[in-house]
Amino acid sequence: NAGVTQTPKFQVLKTGQSMTLQCAQDMNHNSMYWYRQDPGMGLRLIYYSASEGTTDKGEVPNGYNVSRLNKREFSLRLESAAPSQTSVYFCASTQDHSYNEQFFGPGTRLTVL
Amino acid sequence: GQQLNQSPQSMFIQEGEDVSMNCTSSSIFNTWLWYKQDPGEGPVLLIALYKAGELTSNGRLTAQFGITRKDSFLNISASIPSDVGIYFCAGLKGAMLTFGGGTRLMVKP
Repeated sequence: NAGVTQTPKFQVLKTGQSMTLQCAQDMNHNSMYWYRQDPGMGLRLIYYSASEGTTDKGEVPNGYNVSRLNKREFSLRLESAAPSQTSVYFCASTQDHSYNEQFFGPGTRLTVL
Repeated sequence: GQQLNQSPQSMFIQEGEDVSMNCTSSSIFNTWLWYKQDPGEGPVLLIALYKAGELTSNGRLTAQFGITRKDSFLNISASIPSDVGIYFCAGLKGAMLTFGGGTRLMVKP
């Protein structure tokens, strides 16, 4: 099992460009999450999908959209990137949204110039 | 949004020393979790706490869920170089995890 995989690992964008971060899990988990990590601030939840077909906003959803493509895949889209979105993005999954252990991917380091 | 205050922000200790870090919140959580993050990787769960007052150990790690459900601490005994990393507390309420700002641990051999 690969666990949670994310692509790309690194990305540099110019302000205003768009891109989609991809996440996939092979653990047959129902719930998936997108976080951003900024220095000294821990991880903050952007969006989550408690189950296939549903998505909900987290703490910092502005400027992002998500798609739960199927049970395995949960993508995060930046329509018009801004320097404030420079961060490390982590995808996570868990068996059930009320279950404690979220398994994290290796992260995508995004820089917006 | 909810805030978790984690302290200290960083620690530089000698190998073999014990370490203590804690997390406090203005909100009540149903579950407290402690994660460790190595450089360039995602966080990995160390300990999960489900009941107020619960004390749980995992090898050299011990964590407690505060009686008020608004705080938790993590102790690491006899630290070793591979303990280096960032430790995060997290509170779970419903479907959402709220993370503390992290404690960066550095261990001098």
